Amino acid sequence: GQQVMQIPQYQHVQEGEDFTTYCNSSTTLSNIQWYKQRPGGHPVFLIQLVKSGEVKKQKRLTFQFGEAKKNSSLHITATQTTDVGTYFCAGARSRDDKIIFGKGTRLHILP
Amino acid sequence: DGGITQSPKYLFRKEGQNVTLSCEQNLNHDAMYWYRQDPGQGLRLIYYSQIVNDFQKGDIAEGYSVSREKKESFPLTVTSAQKNPTAFYLCASSIENPGQGYGYTFGSGTRLTVV
Repeated sequence: GQQVMQIPQYQHVQEGEDFTTYCNSSTTLSNIQWYKQRPGGHPVFLIQLVKSGEVKKQKRLTFQFGEAKKNSSLHITATQTTDVGTYFCAGARSRDDKIIFGKGTRLHILP
Repeated sequence: DGGITQSPKYLFRKEGQNVTLSCEQNLNHDAMYWYRQDPGQGLRLIYYSQIVNDFQKGDIAEGYSVSREKKESFPLTVTSAQKNPTAFYLCASSIENPGQGYGYTFGSGTRLTVV
């Protein structure tokens, strides 16, 4: 079936290092959303990307939507302990707007 | 403050029992959703409702039932027919279909354990 693949599944980084998670869809997306879930918490909406090639920034977070609208990335610059958690992408299929979640990337920060 | 309230936070159920999870929102959102999350997995859609008195099956509806008698409320019943009900259940709402560009607002979740 159509899926949204997210890599890596886990990532350990030293505090201060950068982090990137990638999201790839087998089908064209009308938009993609990113969520953060802290350990023991619930997903919180971060941002939505709609346009081909779109880039958005939130402080140390940079979000990109690919030109073909099939992939996306989230990059965190100079990670901090508050960045710990699981980052999910959720893509909306173009043909019916069904939301498909990736399995998430769990970020662990080493002090 | 507006938000989504799920209760209870933790729930233990004996095998063979039905159990109902509560979800209430005061965001005036039309659409509400139930997702299931298993360790290391993404979110899988159980049921959703875009309007009062109407709801649709998601990808894993077997063994679950819902109702939407009020805009604010969307309870989920986990029936004895659900083979593996132990999971983290998340309720969400949105202004419209998130596929149209609006993000979900999630509740804090209910952790269900079958004992």
